[in-house]
Amino acid sequence: DGGITQSPKYLFRKEGQNVTLSCEQNLNHDAMYWYRQDPGQGLRLIYYSQIVNDFQKGDIAEGYSVSREKKESFPLTVTSAQKNPTAFYLCASSSGRQTYEQYFGPGTRLTVT
Amino acid sequence: QKEVEQNSGPLSVPEGAIASLNCTYSDRGSQSFFWYRQYSGKSPELIMFIYSNGDKEDGRFTAQLNKASQYVSLLIRDSQPSDSATYLCAVRRIYGNNRLAFGKGNQVVVIP
Repeated sequence: DGGITQSPKYLFRKEGQNVTLSCEQNLNHDAMYWYRQDPGQGLRLIYYSQIVNDFQKGDIAEGYSVSREKKESFPLTVTSAQKNPTAFYLCASSSGRQTYEQYFGPGTRLTVT
Repeated sequence: QKEVEQNSGPLSVPEGAIASLNCTYSDRGSQSFFWYRQYSGKSPELIMFIYSNGDKEDGRFTAQLNKASQYVSLLIRDSQPSDSATYLCAVRRIYGNNRLAFGKGNQVVVIP
């Protein structure tokens, strides 16, 4: 089955701790994206990567970091510098070639107290 | 003006009726438009995309695009309780490395 997986589904952390969210895809997609969603809000882009070993900041990158060492994987680290980290985090991917639709993983709900 | 706007509040429709959702966008040169369905607590699921002016039908869903007026709409015919969800409109940014801009979504409630 082709798809995007995110783990864990729920994550609880204490304030001041860094936490890494996993995103893996086996769709052979070149582009991958991280969004966060807050209640009543649209999706806001954190980081994106169009090819391996390259990534760009999105609209709200402060307090986050990413890596793209493999085509299949695009982990997101939420650092202690992120002021309001509690949110629903969504990873998406896109073939990036002539078609632009993005497909989403199931999401990780992060709660920081 | 926001990049993508979905202004109407929750939409309640009786089962079997047509649900109509609208979305406006600010970049006149935008070329690609998407509708996602998101159930409560779940991730968005792509249900339609449209690139050309006019209508595109897929089952009970019809997407309508009017580039001159900069709006895209989604019609859901024969609405079912399983259509109760939030519908997100997304537009590919013309100067954005294929990034998408999302609206805040419209909640649809289908009443049996």
